[in-house]
Amino acid sequence: GEDVEQSLFLSVREGDSSVINCTYTDSSSTYLYWYKQEPGAGLQLLTYIFSNMDMKQDQRLTVLLNKKDKHLSLRIADTQTGDSAIYFCAESQTGANNLFFGTGTRLTVIP
Amino acid sequence: EAGVAQSPRYKIIEKRQSVAFWCNPISGHATLYWYQQILGQGPKLLIQFQNNGVVDDSQLPKDRFSAERLKGVDSTLKIQPAKLEDSAVYLCASSFRDSNYGYTFGSGTRLTVV
Repeated sequence: GEDVEQSLFLSVREGDSSVINCTYTDSSSTYLYWYKQEPGAGLQLLTYIFSNMDMKQDQRLTVLLNKKDKHLSLRIADTQTGDSAIYFCAESQTGANNLFFGTGTRLTVIP
Repeated sequence: EAGVAQSPRYKIIEKRQSVAFWCNPISGHATLYWYQQILGQGPKLLIQFQNNGVVDDSQLPKDRFSAERLKGVDSTLKIQPAKLEDSAVYLCASSFRDSNYGYTFGSGTRLTVV
């Protein structure tokens, strides 16, 4: 079955860049996503990338995909205290709709 | 547009009791999902509806969990009887159609079974 792994914690200073990493095992993963979850809230879709892309940039967010190593990363530039949250990596396959989530990375931004 | 609405926000019940959660998806969204998120884990799919039909319920513990979406709009998820390990946040999500562009989640119902 699908397995998506993330490190559990990351701390950065305000203004620095954050890099959150994710690895997945299913080579047929076609769509990869990053979701953000703030305390007591549902999951908010931040960005997604198709498996035929290497990089996607959206304002402060940069997603890098290394399909050969099955490695996905999310870089947040100029990290702010409002970015403190849990970040989930998720993947799905073409024609399927079930999202398989990682365990989440808790990002703490230190003022 | 209004988001995905869920109620109640919190529920505390004793084991072996029954509980029901309600979800109203975004208007026009044909696909509705229920996910279970246990503390410290990522969400896991319980059931997926397309309109009022079940697309995937392979991970739903059918001996105690049931879900319905009778008119293809709102949905209820029921647990009967509840076990301690059912303590989790139950998230509802919806998408416009079979979408690979991610979907919109509600805020969830936090269930505590004591």
